[in-house]
Amino acid sequence: AQSVTQPDIHITVSEGASLELRCNYSYGATPYLFWYVQSPGQGLQLLLKYFSGDTLVQGIKGFEAEFKRSQSSFNLRKPSVHWSDAAEYFCAVGAGNTPLVFGKGTRLSVIA
Amino acid sequence: DSGVTQTPKHLITATGQRVTLRCSPRSGDLSVYWYQQSLDQGLQFLIQYYNGEERAKGNILERFSAQQFPDLHSELNLSSLELGDSALYFCASSAPGTPAGELFFGEGSRLTVL
Repeated sequence: AQSVTQPDIHITVSEGASLELRCNYSYGATPYLFWYVQSPGQGLQLLLKYFSGDTLVQGIKGFEAEFKRSQSSFNLRKPSVHWSDAAEYFCAVGAGNTPLVFGKGTRLSVIA
Repeated sequence: DSGVTQTPKHLITATGQRVTLRCSPRSGDLSVYWYQQSLDQGLQFLIQYYNGEERAKGNILERFSAQQFPDLHSELNLSSLELGDSALYFCASSAPGTPAGELFFGEGSRLTVL
């Protein structure tokens, strides 16, 4: 069965520092991969997605993610974090019309 | 604003009771998904409807049921409520022809069972 692991429950970074959130997946077929962000009191918003092709994908708000098939990973990165990036981040995997399976999320705190 | 509307935003009720959560998808979206978010289980897929028909079923309890109406809004019915049903329930929609992962989420309905 498909699964998503986000090893870091909580990460704290300084404003302006770089960020990498880890995501590992288990999926029997070539997956579609997604990152969503959830700000406090809000629903989830799609940050970026990978279907095929270039393994480095760009998303909104300056985020990017790299698909590494050999490592079954899809890590999210941002070169310089802003205080407004503090939120919960979810990695998700799916394929075709299969409903998404989400990781348990990584909470990002940003300090001055 | 995602365009997906959920009501009510907050709901407090007692064990054994029944509640109905409502979702209006984005204009033009035919698919509606229901997810449950809790601290211990994370985001769990419950059920999906496409243009009024059940398309996929996940970890939905028998005490829970859902439907999608001809105007495409959806309702999630939770009955014989237990303390463990306290959670945030999200509805999401997707446009026709897009992969299942491109979802637009509502702000959720927070259910507290006392």
